[in-house]
Parts: sequence; structure tokens; C-alpha cells
Amino acid sequence: DQQVKQNSPSLSVQEGRISILNCDYTNSMFDYFLWYKKYPAEGPTFLISISSIKDKNEDGRFTVFLNKSAKHLSLHIVPSQPGDSAVYFCAASSLGTYKYIFGTGTRLKVLA
Amino acid sequence: DAGVIQSPRHEVTEMGQEVTLRCKPISGHDYLFWYRQTMMRGLELLIYFNNNVPIDDSGMPEDRFSAKMPNASFSTLKIQPSEPRDSAVYFCASSRDRGREYTEAFFGQGTRLTVV
Repeated sequence: DQQVKQNSPSLSVQEGRISILNCDYTNSMFDYFLWYKKYPAEGPTFLISISSIKDKNEDGRFTVFLNKSAKHLSLHIVPSQPGDSAVYFCAASSLGTYKYIFGTGTRLKVLA
Repeated sequence: DAGVIQSPRHEVTEMGQEVTLRCKPISGHDYLFWYRQTMMRGLELLIYFNNNVPIDDSGMPEDRFSAKMPNASFSTLKIQPSEPRDSAVYFCASSRDRGREYTEAFFGQGTRLTVV
């Protein structure tokens, strides 16, 4: 049973445009959400996070939006750059368990 | 800090052989996680430890898989006997307990396991 779902396995975007990556979750106990970026042959690296008391968190070109009622979050990258091409994983956690549950990932390709 | 260190980076073994993957977490981190990456399931949590004690091993696929953490700076994931369907990239990650504050996990570079 996949508690964290990323339904788009891949996404292609033109350089300079906005990239929007989506993630859905099923467990209402999750109260902390993270996005990781992964390049080939490397481990995932932390990108940005949001707690359930917020609906938006911004860090430079990256913004994460959280819609608790819909159990949905999204990552916006503006403007997209070729170096952003990677696999992006959505993850969820809670203070109660501390474990991180990941989705299946979305491969983003930013075209120059 | 050198980050989470995993060894080996690549492992090729024959079906039926025992495989041991190793992990050194970041010093001072209280949690250690073992994940497996596959196309179908993404990053799948196998087991995690808190202060060297296994907390949740519900993700371990079969009894052929076992994990230990004998001390705060070392953990192993063992597969015995290995099967071709175990071929995947295995990641170790660690995080620090900050009480009521949220924190992220830091990943190693992974071990690519191929069972032939």
C-alpha cells in the first residue's frame, strides 16, 4: 500500500519555464513533508520541506505548497534550469514515528 | 563531516550467495534507515533504528534480509541467500533527533547490488 504517491513518472519542461511536481498522500498522521532531488549514481539530497501548520514554504527558486484537506503537495521550480534535471522524490513523516516514507519519484528533464 | 558512508558502491554476486552491505552514519545522528530503490516502488523503507535499536522492520521483504547496528557508527544489511530479484540500489540514511523539531534525513551514495 503506497502511502505517498507520485503519479507522474516523468516531466519535461523548457528552460526558464515553471516545473510543477505533484505528490499525494493517504495517511492523515503525516505532519512533515520533504522533497529530495536525486542525480544518477548519487544518493538523494534534501531540497525543501514543509510542516503541516503551513501551506507554503519558499526557498529561492523552489516553493512547496501543501493542501491538507486534499492530502496533496506540490513543488514549484521557477525558473527551471537544465541543472534541475533529476529525479525528485516526495517524502512524508511525523514527529511520532520519525520514519520517512517516500514516493516513487518523478524524473524531471529541463530542456535547454 | 564526511556524510553517510556506504560500502561497497557496487556488488555483483551469484544467486544463493550471502551479501553484506555496510553503512557508517553521520556522527551524532540518532536514527539510521535502510532503503531500497526500485522502479516500481521508488524508495522503499526496509528498516530503521533509533539509538542502535531496531524500531520498525516491517519493510524487510523476507526472512532472507536482516539488519544489525552493533554500535552508533556502524550498521549492516545482510541478504542470505541472495536472489536475482534482490537486485536494486540500497541506500542508508541517518538523521538527528531534535525532540519536537522536524529534521531531514541524509543519504549515502548507495550500493548497487546485482545478483546474477
